[in-house]
Amino acid sequence: EAQVTQNPRYLITVTGKKLTVTCSQNMNHEYMSWYRQDPGLGLRQIYYSMNVEVTDKGDVPEGYKVSRKEKRNFPLILESPSPNQTSLYFCASSLGLPSSYNSPLHFGNGTRLTVT
Amino acid sequence: QQPVQSPQAVILREGEDAVINCSSSKALYSVHWYRQKHGEAPVFLMILLKGGEQKGHEKISASFNEKKQQSSLYLTASQLSYSGTYFCGTEDGFSGSARQLTFGSGTQLTVLP
Repeated sequence: EAQVTQNPRYLITVTGKKLTVTCSQNMNHEYMSWYRQDPGLGLRQIYYSMNVEVTDKGDVPEGYKVSRKEKRNFPLILESPSPNQTSLYFCASSLGLPSSYNSPLHFGNGTRLTVT
Repeated sequence: QQPVQSPQAVILREGEDAVINCSSSKALYSVHWYRQKHGEAPVFLMILLKGGEQKGHEKISASFNEKKQQSSLYLTASQLSYSGTYFCGTEDGFSGSARQLTFGSGTQLTVLP
């Protein structure tokens, strides 16, 4: 089954404790991206990647890191989480540019992160 | 800059119609619509390209007015399964090669029996 898999689904951690949220897709998609979703603010892009070893900042990259060593994986790293990073996070992938006619975004099921 | 969606929330009865609007202060090349059911991931509905194209998806259709820099999503004869949050994602500019979409804050649609 074609899908984007995120882990974990739920994560509670403390301020400053490094964490990684994994994301993997099995559709051979070129483009991968991370979003955070907060009430009233919708989906905001954190980072995206056009291909292996190519990553770029989105609209809210501060406090996050990503890497794209393999085409299928795009982990999100919080080196020193803070309470304002408490949010619902989505990983997404698309065949090519998400703006393309035949390249819609496929989202994972989300990771709800709480930083105390 | 995020597109502005209106209304923020709407409640209607099964069988009623609804319109959700998405507008931008910038020239748009394309508008994308996604629906997110409660507790689930957003799912792609449709894309509209520059040119005023109107598209349909069962009883859900949309239009794109590039001059007004806005798109509208039409839900006719709503079903319970239409409940969820609808997001528009926009691509600014003129090339159709944007590397990212900018999403609105969403419209929460609730369909009651």
